Amino acid sequence: GAGVSQSPSNKVTEKGKDVELRCDPISGHTALYWYRQSLGQGLEFLIYFQGNSAPDKSGLPSDRFSAERTGGSVSTLTIQRTQQEDSAVYLCASSLGAAAYNEQFFGPGTRLTVL
Amino acid sequence: EDQVTQSPEALRLQEGESSSLNCSYTVSGLRGLFWYRQDPGKGPEFLFTLYSAGEEKEKERLKATLTKKESFLHITAPKPEDSATYLCAVQANYGGSQGNLIFGKGTKLSVKP
Repeated sequence: GAGVSQSPSNKVTEKGKDVELRCDPISGHTALYWYRQSLGQGLEFLIYFQGNSAPDKSGLPSDRFSAERTGGSVSTLTIQRTQQEDSAVYLCASSLGAAAYNEQFFGPGTRLTVL
Repeated sequence: EDQVTQSPEALRLQEGESSSLNCSYTVSGLRGLFWYRQDPGKGPEFLFTLYSAGEEKEKERLKATLTKKESFLHITAPKPEDSATYLCAVQANYGGSQGNLIFGKGTKLSVKP
């Protein structure tokens, strides 16, 4: 079956522009996560959606970052007024639920470069 | 503060030379400890979940073990195709609602033929 897909695979933008990154989770997975992987750093949690509950936004680094999940499926991460420090690989993961026995399956990521 | 530390940062082995990767963690209640493999330009690929001290899991040449403070990923007789970055992550117990993983920075393994 299809895994987690993300688009675009690469995005180059200019400082100050807004960008939208898309994630299509595995069908039937109720939990969806966004992580960021910067050069030389570990994966950093950004935001978490579980079913119809309010998202856990505790990992978002600033109010320029926001995310939505429509219809319990597709998610969009939006970064407004991009800065050079936003350059990173943005990874999306999904799982059947939030319990530890539900492993998280990752997409291939979107590499964002802010010039 | 919950954190995960992996060592070494990089490890170079000859094919067939067994070794271990370390993952030390500090977490307020462990729900699970995870090992992932990440190849360049790809997302992490799930390997194992460990839940409690003393638990062990194996898959081909890999064996993961867990104590109350750390986990080891043992690689027996590695092959060049085992070359990748190995990531360790923990999921903390915050009362049942939070599912995000806390990752270490990874160990980059290179296996030379």
